[in-house]
Amino acid sequence: GENVEQHPSTLSVQEGDSAVIKCTYSDSASNYFPWYKQELGKGPQLIIDIRSNVGEKKDQRIAVTLNKTAKHFSLHITETQPEDSAVYFCAASFTGGFKTIFGAGTRLFVKA
Amino acid sequence: DVKVTQSSRYLVKRTGEKVFLECVQDMDHENMFWYRQDPGLGLRLIYFSYDVKMKEKGDIPEGYSVSREKKERFSLILESASTNQTSMYLCASSLGGGDEKLFFGSGTQLSVL
Repeated sequence: GENVEQHPSTLSVQEGDSAVIKCTYSDSASNYFPWYKQELGKGPQLIIDIRSNVGEKKDQRIAVTLNKTAKHFSLHITETQPEDSAVYFCAASFTGGFKTIFGAGTRLFVKA
Repeated sequence: DVKVTQSSRYLVKRTGEKVFLECVQDMDHENMFWYRQDPGLGLRLIYFSYDVKMKEKGDIPEGYSVSREKKERFSLILESASTNQTSMYLCASSLGGGDEKLFFGSGTQLSVL
């Protein structure tokens, strides 16, 4: 069935460094790739998303890249801050579909 | 802002009890979802609803049922709770009509003893 693999499961960086989280998906029909951030005690919140007709998207310190041929997409956080510490989930779905398939999550620690 | 409210933050139940988890959204979203979150497994879809009284099974529906009598409310029911249903349960909604962005509640941590 559809699957999204996410790496690494844990990531520790120094404040100010960059962090990269990578995902691969299996369903060729997927065309929507959101990223969610989950802080302690809260539900996941959408932070950025990308559609398959776009290769890269940026929003301030975060960016996503998509390689549709290789079925890879990545989240890049630059100039990390302690408040970036959270669990990040990548996901894949398709327009008009109801099933969003999530990766297992990456716990990011940003050390001050 | 969209608000998705789950009725309980923590819940402790006994094996065999019938459990109701309630979720309400305030933005007239068409779609509502129940996910289960377990460490190392991400979020897995239990059931979803795309309209009032309409429901569809997700990837792990066994042992669960749902009810959507009103557009804003989506309930998850554990008919006879078991210890392997101890988990974090997350409710979410989306606008629909091709807009797949999910808005999540804060979650209910259910412990079945």
